Amino acid sequence: SQKIEQNSEALNIQEGKTATLTCNYTNYSPAYLQWYRQDPGRGPVFLLLIRENEKEKRKERLKVTFDTTLKQSLFHITASQPADSATYLCALLYNFNKFYFGSGTKLNVKP
Amino acid sequence: GAVVSQHPSWVICKSGTSVKIECRSLDFQATTMFWYRQFPKQSLMLMATSNEGSKATYEQGVEKDKFLINHASLTLSTLTVTSAHPEDSSFYICSATQGSDYGYTFGSGTRLTVV
Repeated sequence: SQKIEQNSEALNIQEGKTATLTCNYTNYSPAYLQWYRQDPGRGPVFLLLIRENEKEKRKERLKVTFDTTLKQSLFHITASQPADSATYLCALLYNFNKFYFGSGTKLNVKP
Repeated sequence: GAVVSQHPSWVICKSGTSVKIECRSLDFQATTMFWYRQFPKQSLMLMATSNEGSKATYEQGVEKDKFLINHASLTLSTLTVTSAHPEDSSFYICSATQGSDYGYTFGSGTRLTVV
C-alpha cells in the first residue's frame, strides 16, 4: 500500500529563516501533490498544488518542489514568521478525487 | 474563495446514541464530498466518499452501517455515527473541491466525544 512519510519531529527555526519540510512517498507517483496547513482543532487549509509534470511551484513566501525520481516533495517557507507556526500536511492525489495525507510536520517559528 | 461549513463544531453524546454531522458547500456545488477522521497527532484518514444521488463509497475497514452517509443535494452531505461508543470519539472533518486544480476545501471539523 502507498506510504507517505513526513518528519514526525517538530521543526524549530528562528524567525526570518527558511523552513524546509519534506514529504516522501513509496510506490507510484501521484497525479497531484498538495500541501496544507492545519492549526490545532481546525480543518486543513489548502496552500499549494503541484502536478507530477511540474518541478516547482511558488506562491508568495511559499515554494514547493516535486521530484518523481526521488519520490519526494519539499515545502519551503522563506522569511518565516511566528504566525507560520502550525502543522503542515502533504497530500497525494491518486485516481479521481481520492487522496491521502501524510501525518504532518509541526513547525515552530521562534521570535 | 470556496467555503465548506461543518456543523456542529463539537458534540458530546452518551454511549449508544446516534450523532449527525452536517457538511455544506456554501458557494459551490459539490457532487462529491469526503469524510475523514483524525485521532490526536495522527494523519487524516479517509473514511468514505460521499456521492450526490448515489451510495457512498467506504474505505476498507470502515463500517458502512455504523457511519451512515447521505448526500441528498449538491451542497449537503451528512455523516451519522450510529450507536456511538467511546472508541468513536475523534475529530471528523469533511471536504469538497471545485475541481482538482483548486485543492480541497475542508470544513472546520467536528470534535465528537462519546461518554
